[in-house]
Amino acid sequence: DIQMTQSPSTLSASVGDTVTITCRASQNINSWLAWYQQKPGKVPKLLIYKASSLESGVPSRFSGSGSGTEFTLTISSLQPDDFATYYCQQYNTGGTFGGGTKVDIK
Amino acid sequence: EVQLEESGGGLVQPGGSLRLSCAVSGFTFSSHWMSWVRQAPGKGLEWVANISPDGSGKNYVGSVRGRFTISRDNAKNSLHVQMNSLRDEDTAVYYCATEVLGAGRIFDYWGQGTLVTVSS
Repeated sequence: DIQMTQSPSTLSASVGDTVTITCRASQNINSWLAWYQQKPGKVPKLLIYKASSLESGVPSRFSGSGSGTEFTLTISSLQPDDFATYYCQQYNTGGTFGGGTKVDIK
Repeated sequence: EVQLEESGGGLVQPGGSLRLSCAVSGFTFSSHWMSWVRQAPGKGLEWVANISPDGSGKNYVGSVRGRFTISRDNAKNSLHVQMNSLRDEDTAVYYCATEVLGAGRIFDYWGQGTLVTVSS
């Protein structure tokens, strides 16, 4: 089974900061990686698919990059609405999620 | 408007069974792969199972294979999962989710979830 490891598990940041979350796959998943945002008590929201493609309606301050086994999600100029937990998910084989990264207010 | 609504959750003893359902509307259900994704309290997400548009293709995560059975009724726009031999570690909120058309096992619409608690 493919394992997904996210880092950090928690990230403290301020409005306006640029933050980067890393996701590593235990084996090559090409570009079959998605990122989701989840707020407390809410369902996950798809942000990015195929490593770098922005889902319709998602602000352009979100961007994704990477291929193979290492991927990043970058949020430029963090907004109050962005404080949430972020999950990566590989969909090369099965659909494993990473453990999540909570972005909270510094 | 796309809507997914899960039902059937509750408290069940270890070894017991439960059948979850998901009623959908607002899109062409019979065109989509559908999945169940779960989230243990305070924990991350775990994809559980999916089913092809016509119901002929089914996939499961290893930890539920042989215990859970996913099914669908396209005439009734409904998705189901029969969960047998339940274990403590199956305790979670179970979400039904639509897979993005033609994109693979990624999810664009989610229900609000139904809580399954496995405990004696």
